[in-house]
Amino acid sequence: KAGVTQTPRYLIKTRGQQVTLSCSPISGHRSVSWYQQTPGQGLQFLFEYFSETQRNKGNFPGRFSGRQFSNSRSEMNVSTLELGDSALYLCASSAARGTGNEKLFFGSGTQLSVL
Amino acid sequence: GQSLEQPSEVTAVEGAIVQINCTYQTSGFYGLSWYQQHDGGAPTFLSYNALDGLEETGRFSSFLSRSDSYGYLLLQELQMKDSASYFCAVRSGGGSYIPTFGRGTSLIVHP
Repeated sequence: KAGVTQTPRYLIKTRGQQVTLSCSPISGHRSVSWYQQTPGQGLQFLFEYFSETQRNKGNFPGRFSGRQFSNSRSEMNVSTLELGDSALYLCASSAARGTGNEKLFFGSGTQLSVL
Repeated sequence: GQSLEQPSEVTAVEGAIVQINCTYQTSGFYGLSWYQQHDGGAPTFLSYNALDGLEETGRFSSFLSRSDSYGYLLLQELQMKDSASYFCAVRSGGGSYIPTFGRGTSLIVHP
């Protein structure tokens, strides 16, 4: 079974631009969540989708948005990029809806650099 | 809000045993998970504790004490390949049910 696939792997943008990142979950997984990882900060939760509905949202500005499609693939968008948005963006999928005993499967991430 | 505390770095030698602690403050706690992440790699799931006690999976074990809001990951028979970052994570309630990760512990295994 293929793992979680994130594209692109690397991305370089300039301030003010917008970016769209893509995530294909493991086949059969309906829950997708997104995280921002910066050195020393751990993983900061962005949002979580289940069956095309956003279930939870982290403490990030409205410039960060996402969606999930009927095939469970998900995209996240960051508009008006700032230097501080430079980070590794990770996507994770799970079979459960996050009722506690879920196991998250992570993709390798998209490394975003904002110049 | 939710918060987790874990040491930033732990060092050990090959063959040794190391324990990585994690304390948490959450509301509506559901369970504590552990993830391993090698440099440049994706986090991978190691273990999950919903109830008090020890869960063993090969060389790795994880412990939870809900009354103490504390857990740990125990790695035995350390190998060089165990050098990585280890994150504890909780799913908590309080209406938001947001997954919260610790900042990670960098484990350095020396020969």
